[in-house]
Amino acid sequence: EPEVTQTPSHQVTQMGQEVILRCVPISNHLYFYWYRQILGQKVEFLVSFYNNEISEKSEIFDDQFSVERPDGSNFTLKIRSTKLEDSAMYFCASSEALWGGGELFFGEGSRLTVL
Amino acid sequence: AQTVTQSQPEMSVQEAETVTLSCTYDTSESNYYLFWYKQPPSRQMILVIRQEAYKQQNATENRFSVNFQKAAKSFSLKISDSQLGDTAMYFCAFMKYGNKLVFGAGTILRVKS
Repeated sequence: EPEVTQTPSHQVTQMGQEVILRCVPISNHLYFYWYRQILGQKVEFLVSFYNNEISEKSEIFDDQFSVERPDGSNFTLKIRSTKLEDSAMYFCASSEALWGGGELFFGEGSRLTVL
Repeated sequence: AQTVTQSQPEMSVQEAETVTLSCTYDTSESNYYLFWYKQPPSRQMILVIRQEAYKQQNATENRFSVNFQKAAKSFSLKISDSQLGDTAMYFCAFMKYGNKLVFGAGTILRVKS
């Protein structure tokens, strides 16, 4: 069964360093998302992406964050200069349709630890 | 802004019994979708069940069913004949057009043998 895959599963980085989290969405999906979950807190929407541009972003998604689809398969989240509060689980998701309550398929997540 | 509230941080149920997880939400939208996602210890969130707000009939998927009360903005999940594999974190989520999900805080469900 098709699935969303994410790498790395866990990354430890020093504050101020750049981090790139990678995702391979399901191949025929057109809409891509990043969510994050700080330990013990809700899963929060970060950004949605369609047709090579951001469709919507949350207040969390500030200038330190960027997303890119560098080729036909990968979808990346870059954090330019990590802060301690960026420590969280980051989930990538993809969906086939935008309307009709299209199901989002989630990856297993990338745990980011900022020291 | 939409909010989703899950008032039960943790629940336990004996194997083969029935359990109901609660969820309420707040929105001014009339058309939207509601979901229950399951997140087992392996971490990947999996869709359990989906409800379209314009449908009065409650959604069912095998042992999983919902009680959708639109006027009360309530969306509870009932799991019948609970199995050990149902042990997981369960998230209630709201979606309007645009596919942005708003999640509740989650309920940890433990199924005991």
